[in-house]
Amino acid sequence: AQSVTQLGSHVSVSEGALVLLRCNYSSSVPPYLFWYVQYPNQGLQLLLKYTSAATLVKGINDFEAEFKKSETSFHLTKPSAHMSDAAEYFCAVKVVYGGATNKLIFGTGTLLAVQP
Amino acid sequence: DTEVTQTPKHLVMGMTNKKSLKCEQHMGHRAMYWYKQKAKKPPELMFVYSYEKLSINESVPSRFSPECPNSSLLNLHLHALQPEDSALYLCASSQDRGNRAETQYFGPGTRLLVL
Repeated sequence: AQSVTQLGSHVSVSEGALVLLRCNYSSSVPPYLFWYVQYPNQGLQLLLKYTSAATLVKGINDFEAEFKKSETSFHLTKPSAHMSDAAEYFCAVKVVYGGATNKLIFGTGTLLAVQP
Repeated sequence: DTEVTQTPKHLVMGMTNKKSLKCEQHMGHRAMYWYKQKAKKPPELMFVYSYEKLSINESVPSRFSPECPNSSLLNLHLHALQPEDSALYLCASSQDRGNRAETQYFGPGTRLLVL
């Protein structure tokens, strides 16, 4: 079965510091991985996705993630945190059934706090 | 336009009420999804519609009844809910062309409180 694990339910960084949010996956087939962000009282917004085209994936708002097969990881990074980055971040893996039917399985989420 | 809209934004209902949640997208997507998200938890899939047919039901209780009247619209009918059903209900859509890289676009959600 495919799954993702997010290490660290809470991460706190200072404004301007590096952001590192961890995600490890388990999959018997090449995974399709996604990072979503959820701001308070809002839906989920896609930050970036890994589709096997390139191991380093760049997303919106200067976020990027690197797919490392040897470490089964897809960690999310941002060089310099902004106050506006404070939100819940979810890593997800796509599970495909027969045909086009598919679903996302989410990790437990990481709440990012940014201190001034 | 990558917008999924959901109405209402908030809903309070009693355990004997019947209500409906509505979701709409005009991106030409042919797959639509209902997720349930409890506080401080990740979204959990409830239903998937593909080309207006129910393709996944994650063993959801029958007090939740989905409906897909057309390719742009998805409803979730609620009846005899329990207080533990209080949650954020998220709708999503995707192209559904069999490409695993397809993105699911989420709406803002309906926050439901069952009294």
